[in-house]
Amino acid sequence: QVQLKESGPGLVQPSQTLSLTCTVAGFSLTSYNVHWVRQPPGKGLEWMGVIWNTGGTRYNSALKSRLSISKDTSKSQVFLKMNSLQTEDTATYYCARESPRTGSDYWGQGVMVTVSS
Amino acid sequence: DIVLTQSPALAVSLGQRATISCKTNQNVDYYGNSYMHWYQQKPGQQPKLLIYLASNLASGIPARFSGRGSGTDFTLTIDPVEADDTATYYCQQSRNLRTFGGGTKLELK
Repeated sequence: QVQLKESGPGLVQPSQTLSLTCTVAGFSLTSYNVHWVRQPPGKGLEWMGVIWNTGGTRYNSALKSRLSISKDTSKSQVFLKMNSLQTEDTATYYCARESPRTGSDYWGQGVMVTVSS
Repeated sequence: DIVLTQSPALAVSLGQRATISCKTNQNVDYYGNSYMHWYQQKPGQQPKLLIYLASNLASGIPARFSGRGSGTDFTLTIDPVEADDTATYYCQQSRNLRTFGGGTKLELK
């Protein structure tokens, strides 16, 4: 059974670094890409970045200077780190699996992150 | 970056047809495939994949949903609309990295 689950702090102070983990089950990170997508309250979806099954990464140009995505295949975990957080980074953060050419077919439930002092 | 444009909202009556459009500022076709996908998101839930590669129904999605288009113009059709279809619908391109449209909120008249 395919599952993805995000975890991390619910509250982060401004200027600090956000660290999130996406723990997956039912598939191998060597076979599928994993994306991070966020959604500010009441707003639309924003693609943040991807770690390919091969381990390469690509990022949204607007976030590239602050964002890093990595993974530990043996632990079935994907990591997101984003520094210099501001209040506008308050959002629900999702990880999602992507099959080749088929879009993101499985999503985690999301984790709400609030940036506030 | 590829920009996707959707109308913010659409209101339709139960049993009628809903057509949601998505226009891109660049061609998202590549070697015979249109790299456009559609998602449904209900409040408090994660997005759900409906359509991939412009016209392919994702697993478990009812045939009331269909997609079509190519190049820079795409549509998602729901026919007939049911009460459970009230949600926000997003298009997403995967031709060059990934971007989402702003979403179309489907409401019932």
